[in-house]
Amino acid sequence: GENVEQHPSTLSVQEGDSAVIKCTYSDSASNYFPWYKQELGKRPQLIIDIRSNVGEKKDQRIAVTLNKTAKHFSLHITETQPEDSAVYFCAASITGTASKLTFGTGTRLQVML
Amino acid sequence: DGGITQSPKYLFRKEGQNVTLSCEQNLNHDAMYWYRQDPGQGLRLIYYSQIVNDFQKGDIAEGYSVSREKKESFPLTVTSAQKNPTAFYLCASVNLRSDSLNTEAFFGQGTRLTVV
Repeated sequence: GENVEQHPSTLSVQEGDSAVIKCTYSDSASNYFPWYKQELGKRPQLIIDIRSNVGEKKDQRIAVTLNKTAKHFSLHITETQPEDSAVYFCAASITGTASKLTFGTGTRLQVML
Repeated sequence: DGGITQSPKYLFRKEGQNVTLSCEQNLNHDAMYWYRQDPGQGLRLIYYSQIVNDFQKGDIAEGYSVSREKKESFPLTVTSAQKNPTAFYLCASVNLRSDSLNTEAFFGQGTRLTVV
């Protein structure tokens, strides 16, 4: 089955700096890669996703890149703000089925003032 | 507020007891999932279901059971066979669109189960 690895487990950045979180996946059939943000005490919520027919996707300060050959995808947050502090999860799945949405182990991002 | 509700928010169980966690959604989503969240281990899949009366084991199904008698409901029972049940449990649902593209998973607010 699919295995998703996520690094780093914790990340501290100064406000205004960029943050990068990296994930790798094992199943070459996976073609959908969402990122979720979980604030303290709250449910995970989708912030951005990318499909395997696209190499990069951007939404304001957030971008995701995908390298299918290397089975690697990354989340980039620019101009970080205190409200970006949360746990971020990457995930991988195969579209068209109720396939297992496999999550990484999470990255705790802390944006320092 | 997302249309997926878990109850209760907090649950205490004595060792040896079975407990059932509720998950209800009014989003008309086909697929529903149960995840367990432990510190440093991310979200691990327990069970998932695509249609009524059908469900599949996830990666850590031992000691758990589920049912899917209605599309809106996917309750999870934590049995006495689960060796370390203290954790945060999250239910999620996904709309399996006819164009075969997954959409986002909507999560409930979670149930924190503690064995006392």
